Amino acid sequence: EVQLVESGGGLVKPGGSLRLSCAASGFTFSSYSMNWVRQAPGKGLEWVLSISSSSSYIYYIDSVKGRFTISRDDAKNSLYLQMNSLRAEDTAVYYCARAIAARTHYFDYWGQGTLVTVSS
Amino acid sequence: QSVLTQPPSVSGAPGQRVTISCTGSSSNIGAGYDVHWYQQLPGTAPKLLIYGNSNRPSGVPDRISGSKSGTSASLAISGLQAEDEADYYCQSYDSSLNGFYVFGTGTKVTVL
Repeated sequence: EVQLVESGGGLVKPGGSLRLSCAASGFTFSSYSMNWVRQAPGKGLEWVLSISSSSSYIYYIDSVKGRFTISRDDAKNSLYLQMNSLRAEDTAVYYCARAIAARTHYFDYWGQGTLVTVSS
Repeated sequence: QSVLTQPPSVSGAPGQRVTISCTGSSSNIGAGYDVHWYQQLPGTAPKLLIYGNSNRPSGVPDRISGSKSGTSASLAISGLQAEDEADYYCQSYDSSLNGFYVFGTGTKVTVL
């Protein structure tokens, strides 16, 4: 059974840092592109970053450029999100999601999410 | 702000059919990129409902269907049930933005 379990969320002050983790199991983690998708309270879904298998390609939205870093450790079946210079608008539930490579990639499995709150 | 527009809400009585539209443009749906749909029950993570415009993953009932035409896509739910009450999001790719993947604005389905 495919499982994705996020951890590391919490309350952080503006300008602070946080590192999220996503532990994967039930599939060959190294073969898949992995992603972080966030959802601000009461809002819709927003894709944030993507890392390809073997970490060859990394994609992100403009608003996190230079602040967020996505990485993976295939030996540990884990995905990470290092978030620096956090802003109030980064407050959201962060989901890790597995992507299926298709004509237009889609997300077939999601974690339960971890809440990040940026507030003073 | 999403480039894929959905109605904020739709509603129907049990047993009825409802449809949710997802309107894009020539840089996303109209450019030929596939559309996928997700269901998000209250307080839970999104779940893949339709992929590749009209394909259902294993376990999704055939009363759920998807279609795409031009710059729009639609999700239809027939035989509406109480458990269908949720938020629904479309997703595609947009070639004009930095964003690699784009989601729709989301639609709340209410079962009357």
